[in-house]
Amino acid sequence: EAGVVQSPRYKIIEKKQPVAFWCNPISGHNTLYWYRQNLGQGPELLIRYENEEAVDDSQLPKDRFSAERLKGVDSTLKIQPAELGDSAVYLCASSPRGSGMGGTEAFFGQGTRLTVV
Amino acid sequence: KNQVEQSPQSLIILEGKNCTLQCNYTVSPFSNLRWYKQDTGRGPVSLTIMTFSENTKSNGRYTATLDADTKQSSLHITASQLSDSASYICALGRGSTLGRLYFGRGTQLTVWP
Repeated sequence: EAGVVQSPRYKIIEKKQPVAFWCNPISGHNTLYWYRQNLGQGPELLIRYENEEAVDDSQLPKDRFSAERLKGVDSTLKIQPAELGDSAVYLCASSPRGSGMGGTEAFFGQGTRLTVV
Repeated sequence: KNQVEQSPQSLIILEGKNCTLQCNYTVSPFSNLRWYKQDTGRGPVSLTIMTFSENTKSNGRYTATLDADTKQSSLHITASQLSDSASYICALGRGSTLGRLYFGRGTQLTVWP
């Protein structure tokens, strides 16, 4: 079974340019997460979806970040315009249901490493 | 404030030796505690998940313990291998915000031959 697939793996852009990341979760997983991981830090949640609904986006910088999950499957995360401080690894994860609940496993993709110059 | 603190920040051990990594947390109310292994350039991979009623969980050479009273957890690695070199991250699930995990910064483990 395929795991969580993310693309691209790497992206280098100039500041003020837009950028988008794509995530294909594990088939049948209702919950999808976007995390941001800065160098030497643990992942921080940006947004969590339950099917098509964004149920936790309190940490998403809504002035420049947006996300969507059409039809409750694939998801895209967009930054417009990008800033130097956005350089980080953006991780997508999925789980059958919310991973804060009991022992539900969350599976991570390999991430997209964004460098803003 | 919901925090997860890990120690040490980095650790170097020789192949075949054992080691123990620590995780202290203030996340409340507690739902579950996880240990992840993250190789360089990869996403985190789950090693163990413990709920409130569990105080130890093993996965091969990895054994995690949980003391919910003192809000501490440890990950013990037995007979280390070169492939164990990675970042080990502790994460907490919070009962009142189901679905969100709070991550520590990780311990960077290096195993030398």
